Amino acid sequence: GENVEQHPSTLSVQEGDSAVIKCTYSDSASNYFPWYKQELGKRPQLIIDIRSNVGEKKDQRIAVTLNKTAKHFSLHITETQPEDSAVYFCAASTTGGGNKLTFGTGTQLKVEL
Amino acid sequence: GAGVSQSPRYKVTKRGQDVALRCDPISGHVSLYWYRQALGQGPEFLTYFNYEAQQDKSGLPNDRFSAERPEGSISTLTIQRTEQRDSAMYRCASSLSGAGSTDTQYFGPGTRLTVL
Repeated sequence: GENVEQHPSTLSVQEGDSAVIKCTYSDSASNYFPWYKQELGKRPQLIIDIRSNVGEKKDQRIAVTLNKTAKHFSLHITETQPEDSAVYFCAASTTGGGNKLTFGTGTQLKVEL
Repeated sequence: GAGVSQSPRYKVTKRGQDVALRCDPISGHVSLYWYRQALGQGPEFLTYFNYEAQQDKSGLPNDRFSAERPEGSISTLTIQRTEQRDSAMYRCASSLSGAGSTDTQYFGPGTRLTVL
């Protein structure tokens, strides 16, 4: 089955700096890659996703890149703010697999003032 | 509109008891997923439904775990003869389209299960 690895496990940045979180996946059939943000005690919430037919997607300060050849994808957050502090999870799924998500182990992002 | 809801939010039970966890998906959502999330970890897939049909139950840990969605809306995850290792957050998620799609999955608030 699919295996998703995520790095780093913790990331501390200064407010205004950029943050990058990287994930690799094992199943070449995976074609959907969402990113979820989970604040303490809250449910995971989708922040951005990318499908295998594009290499990059951007939404304001957040962008995701996908390299299907290397089987890795990354989350980029620019101009970080304290409210970006949370745990971020990457995930992968396949259309043929019913879209069941395989999650990475999470990255605790801390944005310091 | 209303999001995914789950009940109870917290459940404390004694080892050996059966528990039933309920998920109410977003109205009209075809697909419903159950995940288990250990503290500090990402959600782990358990099972999923397309309408009332259970399409994949490969993530259920053993035969003490079962799930149903008889009318294609509300779903119940049942754990029989609970064990301490079953303690975790159980989350469900729903998405608009059915099999063959990669629609956004919206998560519920979860049920925190503690087995004493």
